This record gives sequence, C-alpha cells and structure tokens, in this order.
Amino acid sequence: DGGITQSPKYLFRKEGQNVTLSCEQNLNHDAMYWYRQDPGQGLRLIYYSQIVNDFQKGDIAEGYSVSREKKESFPLTVTSAQKNPTAFYLCASSFQGNTEAFFGQGTRLTVV
Amino acid sequence: KNEVEQSPQNLTAQEGEFITINCSYSVGISALHWLQQHPGGGIVSLFMLSSGKKKHGRLIATINIQEKHSSLHITASHPRDSAVYICASNTGNQFYFGTGTSLTVIP
Repeated sequence: DGGITQSPKYLFRKEGQNVTLSCEQNLNHDAMYWYRQDPGQGLRLIYYSQIVNDFQKGDIAEGYSVSREKKESFPLTVTSAQKNPTAFYLCASSFQGNTEAFFGQGTRLTVV
Repeated sequence: KNEVEQSPQNLTAQEGEFITINCSYSVGISALHWLQQHPGGGIVSLFMLSSGKKKHGRLIATINIQEKHSSLHITASHPRDSAVYICASNTGNQFYFGTGTSLTVIP
C-alpha cells in the first residue's frame, strides 16, 4: 500500500544532542513538508522540498536542517541550536500544486 | 501569508447532534482542505475542495470562494467522530493551517 511513514513514533533525547526524524513516502510525490505542532497552535512549516536536492525554509526553520537526496525520503534533523525542541512533528507529502496532502502519523519528540 | 481561522476552538455535542465547524481564510487559494487528527496525532485528509460542496458519508464540506469561508458539517454525530478537525488552505505551493477544532461527542 502507498503511504507516508514517519519513525519513530516517540523519541526521547538529552538536551544538546542532535536527533534525526525519518519520513519516507512511496506515493511518488514531488513535494514533502515538515511541520511542527504545539498545543493551541496550528501546524507551522519548518522546511519543504518540491524536488530532489532542493529544499526551502519555512516559517520556523531555525535550529532544524533537512536533506532531500532521494524523492522518497525527507529526514529532519533537530539540532542543539533549536531552543525548544519538545513538540509533535508531522511530515507530509503531495504532488505539486493544487493537490491533496498525505500526512504521516507523527513523531513526538521529548528533550530532557 | 494566508491567515486561517477556525471556530469554535472546542465543541462538545451529544450523540446524534448536527455539528458545524467553520473556517475562514484571508487570501485567495487554490483549494481548501479539511483534516482529521485523532488522539495519538496521525492526520487523515477528509476533503479537498475548491468550489461548492462535497459529501462523504455523514460528513459534508462546503466552500464559498467569494466569502473566503468553508464549513464542515457532521450529521448524526457519533462518539467515534471525537477528534480535532483542522482546516488548511492551499495556495498551490504551501499549506496554511487553522489551529483546529477539538470535538467531543458524548454518548
């Protein structure tokens, strides 16, 4: 079955450590997105990529990095520079333009 | 930037009630999406619409492009409808999300 997979579902890290969240899709989608969700706030865009080897910063990119070496994969690294990394992270993908988006199940990151 | 506002933020209903969630957005869009987020966080897409009305089971979504407004209706609500419903606008390149409406349907 086609879909978008995020892993792991729950992740704990010590403060000061970098951590990478995985996002894989087998839908042949060109565009992939990373969002952060905090209580009481809408999803906020961290990074997005519309094509392999290219990505753009979203509204809250500071302290995060991404890569898009393959069409299927868009990993997000939460670096030690991110001041408040504890949050729920959602990955999404879509075809270009006016199309439906598909979301992963999310990764809940807790930094202690 | 497209501002997306939803109302109400929280909604409690008795099983069987007709429910309406509203969404307004500030700039022209190419499509409006309604999403459902269950406890645990995963999001599923319910509707994508750019005009008129769509129906899927007990769910109905409408959009008025001129007024920049969309509504999600749930007929004969059921406890399994309890979730957060999120409206998102699509400008063709990016999605902008509302803060969500938390719905609880009581048996």
